[in-house]
Formats: sequence, structure tokens, C-alpha cells
Amino acid sequence: DAKTTQPPSMDCAEGRAANLPCNHSTISGNEYVYWYRQIHSQGPQYIIHGLKNNETNEMASLIITEDRKSSTLILPHATLRDTAVYYCIVLSFYTGANSKLTFGKGITLSVRP
Amino acid sequence: GAVVSQHPSWVICKSGTSVKIECRSLDFQATTMFWYRQFPKQSLMLMATSNEGSKATYEQGVEKDKFLINHASLTLSTLTVTSAHPEDSSFYICSAREPRYQETQYFGPGTRLLVL
Repeated sequence: DAKTTQPPSMDCAEGRAANLPCNHSTISGNEYVYWYRQIHSQGPQYIIHGLKNNETNEMASLIITEDRKSSTLILPHATLRDTAVYYCIVLSFYTGANSKLTFGKGITLSVRP
Repeated sequence: GAVVSQHPSWVICKSGTSVKIECRSLDFQATTMFWYRQFPKQSLMLMATSNEGSKATYEQGVEKDKFLINHASLTLSTLTVTSAHPEDSSFYICSAREPRYQETQYFGPGTRLLVL
């Protein structure tokens, strides 16, 4: 699976949009981009995933560049409860039933009042 | 989204004893589940892949005889830490692959193990 790079940390003001970048320049055509987050002392929470089209759900939006080498997770109105470590992971299903999520260091988002 | 539970949420045991952790998919059937371990201020490390009805696949460096995994049904996988030692103290997290949502993995809340 391709590797991803994320800045180590960022912060934003409560109520503002949080834009979390991720680079995955070696992504291949059959690999999806997944985002998870982990709030302190909890299991990771699935946020969203996409292949090449932009995606939106009740939690966030995922913007993938046309060349698919980078993406941005957007939390439209950040709250204090969004403070967490956010992981960007690329994953292929062509490795079969045992395709595995590999967690890097992620980006720590701090939402300030 | 799909719900995965773990039990217990935390456990304290004496060195040399065995501890069993359960992982359940509550509203879906999961042929594949995963077990991770997380040490303080570190990221999640995959320990093993658990497939229903077959032997688990362990990651390199994980002792299969120490971390016994049983995936006896489509909704339950168990991890048993045998002869636990203080260095096994960690946060253990399971995930289950949900086939209805493009095989997306959903995670349990984790089990904190402290070995004295």
C-alpha cells in the first residue's frame, strides 16, 4: 500500500472549517483514501473514504485532487469534540480479504475555543 | 455506521495470568476482524488478522503462542493474552470489516490492559 504524509499538527478555532491535508503521491489506481480519527483513549472512528470523486457525509467532506496525489479532509464547523488525531490511509482491496490498514502518526488537530 | 464492541473495557491482572478480550460486531457479520495494539503516544500497530473459521494471520514479530486468537463465529473474535507480563500492558483495539460498506473497517472502543 502507498504511504501518506501528513503535517504533525494543526489547530483551528471552534466554529471554523478545519482543512486537514494529506499527500499520497505514490497512490495507485485501485487504492482508496480513507480517513479515521482517534479521540484520546478511544478506538479509531471511521470518517469517510473515496476513490477519485469528492465525497461528503454527515461528518466531513473529502476532496481528492484530480491526479489523486493529495487530498483534504474538511470538517465544516469544527467543535471542541473534534480535537483528535486524524489518520489518512490509502488502501487497496486487490490484495484480497486481508487488505490491511496501516496507521502512520497522523495529524493532531486541536480545536481552540 | 456499523458498531463494534469490546469487553472488558479495562482489566488489571497479575503477572503470569491469562486475559481474554472479546470483540463483537453488533449489527453485521464480519468474516474478517483485526487486532491492534497501541502503546502510549504511539500509533496503532496491527497484531493479527482474524478470519472466521480459520487460523489467524499474525504480523511479523507477534508471538502467536502468546496472543491466541479465535474467530469462532461471524460476530465474535477473541484475543487471549497468555502468561501476561508487565510489558504486555497496552491498549488493545479490534476492528471488523463491514461487507455492506465496501469492506470498511469499524473499530471497537478498545481494552486497556494493565499487568502488575
